[in-house]
Amino acid sequence: GEDVEQSLFLSVREGDSSVINCTYTDSSSTYLYWYKQEPGAGLQLLTYIFSNMDMKQDQRLTVLLNKKDKHLSLRIADTQTGDSAIYFCAEILYGNNRLAFGKGNQVVVIP
Amino acid sequence: DTAVSQTPKYLVTQMGNDKSIKCEQNLGHDTMYWYKQDSKKFLKIMFSYNNKELIINETVPNRFSPKSPDKAHLNLHINSLELGDSAVYFCASSQGTGEAEPQHFGDGTRLSIL
Repeated sequence: GEDVEQSLFLSVREGDSSVINCTYTDSSSTYLYWYKQEPGAGLQLLTYIFSNMDMKQDQRLTVLLNKKDKHLSLRIADTQTGDSAIYFCAEILYGNNRLAFGKGNQVVVIP
Repeated sequence: DTAVSQTPKYLVTQMGNDKSIKCEQNLGHDTMYWYKQDSKKFLKIMFSYNNKELIINETVPNRFSPKSPDKAHLNLHINSLELGDSAVYFCASSQGTGEAEPQHFGDGTRLSIL
């Protein structure tokens, strides 16, 4: 079934790296996404990774995918105050356009 | 230019009322969605339309009725509002229904039931 797990809260100093983790249970997921939600705003697509990739880098963002452990992580380098938000991982299943979201991880960047 | 726009942004109303939320996308996408985000920030899909046809209908009370007059619009009508309907409702769209089609979200409608 679809079950995406995320930890809840992360506090990080400005300039440091932050890592957000996510686990999922459905091995048939083809694409995995990271979305960012700033306070009072909608969800902004940050990046996504296809399931046959191990890593994807996009500027300050690095996505790592461990299919064996069904583990997805998002690393934000040189974290800025504008990175303070809730981050959601989401998976989409083969042949299905349902996005299943994790519970979200709130990142607070301390100046 | 806003890609996916929802109105209203805030909606406060009393239990038992009927209300509608509107969504429009100017991305030329074929598929639109409604999601509900509860007070714990958990997001769950409610409905999806592709070219005005319903393709996903999750377990949602039939008090909720989506309507898609054309592929750029997907409105959500809610009858007999209940306290548990208080949430943020997000509209989204994607080019198609394939797995590689990222979904783009609106800013949400914050519905509060008194």
